[in-house]
Amino acid sequence: GAVVSQHPSWVICKSGTSVKIECRSLDFQATTMFWYRQFPKQSLMLMATSNEGSKATYEQGVEKDKFLINHASLTLSTLTVTSAHPEDSSFYICSASIAGGFHNEQFFGPGTRLTVL
Amino acid sequence: SQELEQSPQSLIVQEGKNLTINCTSSKTLYGLYWYKQKYGEGLIFLMMLQKGGEEKSHEKITAKLDEKKQQSSLHITASQPSHAGIYLCGAAFNAGNNRKLIWGLGTSLAVNP
Repeated sequence: GAVVSQHPSWVICKSGTSVKIECRSLDFQATTMFWYRQFPKQSLMLMATSNEGSKATYEQGVEKDKFLINHASLTLSTLTVTSAHPEDSSFYICSASIAGGFHNEQFFGPGTRLTVL
Repeated sequence: SQELEQSPQSLIVQEGKNLTINCTSSKTLYGLYWYKQKYGEGLIFLMMLQKGGEEKSHEKITAKLDEKKQQSSLHITASQPSHAGIYLCGAAFNAGNNRKLIWGLGTSLAVNP
């Protein structure tokens, strides 16, 4: 149980285009989803916390107009990288917490590797 | 400075050897989570510790949380190549519902056959 999927698993795009990444909780409802960015050999950098039905909370230094997050349902959150540039190339990982769960345990998706040419 | 310190940063051991990874906080932890990551993949949940002095085991991996709830150690007994990967600790510093975790920088483990 508690499976999280991400789509696509990898994407290559041209500079200036927008890319949408989906994060789905497959067998549970997720009140909260998190979006992380990870650079090679580095830890997770939290970008934003997404709560179903409300605006995402962005971490300091993360541009909300560049990284659009939508959490329209209890099983789906999307991250759109707008006007992507080569410096946005990275590994993006989402995680989800179970609605009504007591602990802070997060279930992670397999990640999406974005390469911007 | 990092709220959560992990050590060592990287580790190379011979198959069959034991090893320990530490995660230290400057503040009291509400909960401490251990995850494992293969490069380029998502994170796999290993264990969660919440009570001071708590110890949990899963197969050959044991994690402990000290009495002060500021340090956790992850111990692998008789390491195998399948244990290789990046081990990350994540900490909750309060009991709030924001469910946000603070992460250590990770420990990269290589196990030589």
